[in-house]
Amino acid sequence: QVQLQESGPGLVKPSETLSLTCIVSGGSVSTGSYYWSWIRQPPGKGLEWIGYIYYSVNTNYSPSLRSRVTISVDTSKNQFSLKLSSVTAADTAVYYCVRVLSGGVVDSWGQGTLVTVSS
Amino acid sequence: EIVLTQSPATLSLSPGERATLSCRASQSISTYLAWYQQKPGQAPRLLIFDASNRATGIPARFSGSGSGTDFTLTISSLEPEDFAVYYCQQRSNWPPITFGQGTRLEIK
Repeated sequence: QVQLQESGPGLVKPSETLSLTCIVSGGSVSTGSYYWSWIRQPPGKGLEWIGYIYYSVNTNYSPSLRSRVTISVDTSKNQFSLKLSSVTAADTAVYYCVRVLSGGVVDSWGQGTLVTVSS
Repeated sequence: EIVLTQSPATLSLSPGERATLSCRASQSISTYLAWYQQKPGQAPRLLIFDASNRATGIPARFSGSGSGTDFTLTISSLEPEDFAVYYCQQRSNWPPITFGQGTRLEIK
């Protein structure tokens, strides 16, 4: 059974870059069957898809975040990462790394990590 | 982008009662709809995919139905652990993945 674990700073200053990593165990990020993705949830609000990486090189991002987002993968460490630049308080959220099946169903979630944007 | 609208926003019921949650899509999505359950402080969990298929390990009291634009999640007899927030999600035209705003199921 695949397990995902997010890691990264819990506090980021406005205008800086948010960086998170997701360590994957029990599965390989190189597997072509899955889309390794990030989803976020502002406190008390709903879920927002950020983007995915597929086959280690193919990426797709939410149109609303595309200009600020980069998702990459490190196959040697079996992990994938999120970078979100020029953050504001609106980017404060719990960030989840997830595994998405080829059909677009999210079948596995990390526990989530709260990132607060504040000076 | 396909918009999903869930109703009601909050549903207050007692254990043992039947719960009916709705999700409406802004355009037809066939049966490409999933349901997730989220408890406080936890990540969401997949309950139902493709409108009516239970995910592995999900109790039979959870069922999903619908196609096109109107979908329903039914919990036949509420257990104490079922009180949570429920989200629908479409995959008809992904990316992007889009979610409804959620229905909070609370104890009456």
